Amino acid sequence: AQTVTQSQPEMSVQEAETVTLSCTYDTSESNYYLFWYKQPPSRQMILVIRQEAYKQQNATENRFSVNFQKAAKSFSLKISDSQLGDTAMYFCALRLYNTDKLIFGTGTRLQVFP
Amino acid sequence: GAGVSQSPSNKVTEKGKDVELRCDPISGHTALYWYRQSLGQGLEFLIYFQGNSAPDKSGLPSDRFSAERTGGSVSTLTIQRTQQEDSAVYLCASRSGTDYGYTFGSGTRLTVV
Repeated sequence: AQTVTQSQPEMSVQEAETVTLSCTYDTSESNYYLFWYKQPPSRQMILVIRQEAYKQQNATENRFSVNFQKAAKSFSLKISDSQLGDTAMYFCALRLYNTDKLIFGTGTRLQVFP
Repeated sequence: GAGVSQSPSNKVTEKGKDVELRCDPISGHTALYWYRQSLGQGLEFLIYFQGNSAPDKSGLPSDRFSAERTGGSVSTLTIQRTQQEDSAVYLCASRSGTDYGYTFGSGTRLTVV
């Protein structure tokens, strides 16, 4: 069975600083996708960044980047130049190529302070 | 529509009553998913529809839960004889057949009293 673990229930960071959220996963499959989603108080899950496992290059979307370590089964999210609007729950998720279900971690609550 | 629409946004119901939650996916998206988010938890897969194929119901927690998708578009999740443990946010997502990204709605917060 596949699992996703987010070991940091809560994190905080000062505005303009950098923060890294951890995610590890477990699967015996070699082909899969990884995602980070942001969930603000509005409850809508917003896609932050995604990575295909066969791609060695780390994905980057503006201030958001990942450190994908396939051998270690680690997929951390780095947020640079943190903004107040980044305050939200962040979920890491895994999807295998041959299934259509997202498997989520329990989330990390990020608070950005002015 | 421009996004995934869910209604109602909030629902309070008495224990034992039936409830229906609605999801209107992005037009043209062939795949539709229901997830449940209990307080302080991650998202739990409930059910998945893909085109005209039989739905994957493997995540439904009991036979009190059912879902249908009419005309390949709107979906309704029905919970019969609600229990307090059914209280959660129910999120719907849809996906285009040509992309592996999911678009989520804002969910329905169900409270069973």
